[in-house]
Amino acid sequence: KQEVTQIPAALSVPEGENLVLNCSFTDSAIYNLQWFRQDPGKGLTSLLLIQSSQREQTSGRLNASLDKSSGRSTLYIAASQPGDSATYLCAVRGRGNQFYFGTGTSLTVIP
Amino acid sequence: NAGVMQNPRHLVRRRGQEARLRCSPMKGHSHVYWYRQLPEEGLKFMVYLQKENIIDESGMPKERFSAEFPKEGPSILRIQQVVRGDSAAYFCASSPLSLSDEQYFGPGTRLTVT
Repeated sequence: KQEVTQIPAALSVPEGENLVLNCSFTDSAIYNLQWFRQDPGKGLTSLLLIQSSQREQTSGRLNASLDKSSGRSTLYIAASQPGDSATYLCAVRGRGNQFYFGTGTSLTVIP
Repeated sequence: NAGVMQNPRHLVRRRGQEARLRCSPMKGHSHVYWYRQLPEEGLKFMVYLQKENIIDESGMPKERFSAEFPKEGPSILRIQQVVRGDSAAYFCASSPLSLSDEQYFGPGTRLTVT
């Protein structure tokens, strides 16, 4: 069964800093990996989708990489802002049809 | 193109009552997924449906829970005889046809069982 782990569980950084969030998964047979943000009491907002054949995706200040063979993905956030404060979740889609989620990294950006 | 719609957003039920959660996927999406997020836990897959078909229900409890996605109308997640442990946020997601497609989430239904 696929296991998805996110490290660290919580992170606090001063505004303007660059940061990296980590996601690891145990089964490398995946279709894709998706990063989301979740604000307290809210739903999930999709940030980036990486197909299994891709190595990275970029959107604005966000860059996600995927190393399928080692079962790892990173989400890089450049020049962090207080509005980036949220919980960041990664999810992998593997065999069958379901998505497996990590428990998330709670990010706080201090003004 | 409206996003994934879920209603109600908040639902309070007494123990033993039934809860019905609705999800309307994005226009043109034929795949619907239900997830449950328990307090302080990650999202757990429950069930994957296409129109009139349950494709994968491996994450759904065997008793009291059922799901459907009829030809017309929203997908329904039904919980019979709710218990306090069913209190959670229930999220619905939809995607288009391909397994490689992105999934889009609704705002969730927060169920509280008193």
